[in-house]
Amino acid sequence: DAKTTQPNSMESNEEEPVHLPCNHSTISGTDYIHWYRQLPSQGPEYVIHGLTSNVNNRMASLAIAEDRKSSTLILHRATLRDAAVYYCILCGAGTASKLTFGTGTRLQVTL
Amino acid sequence: KAGVTQTPRYLIKTRGQQVTLSCSPISGHRSVSWYQQTPGQGLQFLFEYFSETQRNKGNFPGRFSGRQFSNSRSEMNVSTLELGDSALYLCASSLALGEPQHFGDGTRLSIL
Repeated sequence: DAKTTQPNSMESNEEEPVHLPCNHSTISGTDYIHWYRQLPSQGPEYVIHGLTSNVNNRMASLAIAEDRKSSTLILHRATLRDAAVYYCILCGAGTASKLTFGTGTRLQVTL
Repeated sequence: KAGVTQTPRYLIKTRGQQVTLSCSPISGHRSVSWYQQTPGQGLQFLFEYFSETQRNKGNFPGRFSGRQFSNSRSEMNVSTLELGDSALYLCASSLALGEPQHFGDGTRLSIL
């Protein structure tokens, strides 16, 4: 499986935008980019996914570089409830049910 | 809409025993996957079931097994428990193979 690289931790102030980066230089043409997050004492939660184009949903936006070797998860206004570990995962076609989690980015949100 | 339900939430066993964990997927979801989460190894894929058939398997010993029933509910079994099996076991369901997954809050298994 292609590997992703994320910063170990990031900090943000509440109500400010947060940009969580992910590098995936060995991504293949059919790999989707998935983001999950895990809040304390909970199971992971699906956030968003995309292939080539930028994607938006009610939780976040996903910006994918033109060469697809990196992507950025954007939380438009961080709240305390967004404090979690965020995982960037590459999924080949049909393998989104077999996720390979890395160590993720621990996001701290402060008042 | 009810989420993924895992039972029990907490379990304590001793070495050498066996354990069965249960997972009820979201209604209508046919794919169920299992993961193990430990502080040292992080989240690791165990296996995936779809239409009562195991479709994918992770790199775990044969002591770890699972099954899926016709109503998509799934169980996983661990035999001859070892101290290193202490972990949070997470179940996830999706509508079909390749779809984003919805996770339960897990069963925390402690081995004494």
